Amino acid sequence: EAQVTQNPRYLITVTGKKLTVTCSQNMNHEYMSWYRQDPGLGLRQIYYSMNVEVTDKGDVPEGYKVSRKEKRNFPLILESPSPNQTSLYFCASSLVDNSPLHFGNGTRLTVT
Amino acid sequence: GIQVEQSPPDLILQEGANSTLRCNFSDSVNNLQWFHQNPWGQLINLFYIPSGTKQNGRLSATTVATERYSLLYISSSQTTDSGVYFCAAGGYNKLIFGAGTRLAVHP
Repeated sequence: EAQVTQNPRYLITVTGKKLTVTCSQNMNHEYMSWYRQDPGLGLRQIYYSMNVEVTDKGDVPEGYKVSRKEKRNFPLILESPSPNQTSLYFCASSLVDNSPLHFGNGTRLTVT
Repeated sequence: GIQVEQSPPDLILQEGANSTLRCNFSDSVNNLQWFHQNPWGQLINLFYIPSGTKQNGRLSATTVATERYSLLYISSSQTTDSGVYFCAAGGYNKLIFGAGTRLAVHP
């Protein structure tokens, strides 16, 4: 089944403890992206990747890192999480940049 | 940057009713998509429709790029249509999401 898989679905952590949210797609998509969704602020792009080893900042990249070493994987790294990064995170992919975007099921992160 | 506005913000329907959701965008775009976020939080792509008209079952969408708007039509609504509908518009590398239309369909 074609899908975007994120893990974990739920994560509770403490301020400053490094964490990684994994994202994997099995559709051979070139384009991948991370979004965060917050009440009143909607969905905002964090980082995106056009292909392997090609990444760039979205609208809210501060406090996040990404890497794209393989086409299928696009992990989101929070090196020193803070409470303002408490949010619902979505990974998404599409065949190429300007094509239908498919989302993972989301990761609800709480930083205390 | 591109501004994306959706209306109405909230919509309550009886099962079987039809509805039209609107998305206005402030600049020319070559990427326009509609998504449904169900009550479990999943985001489902409904349409990729930078221009023209598409239909998928009870749902259809029309984008008039020259007038900077898109419409999503839901016919014979069902309770499973409940959730939030997002429009996203933009160009290469960037999709800007609207604030969404929250739809509740009652039996």
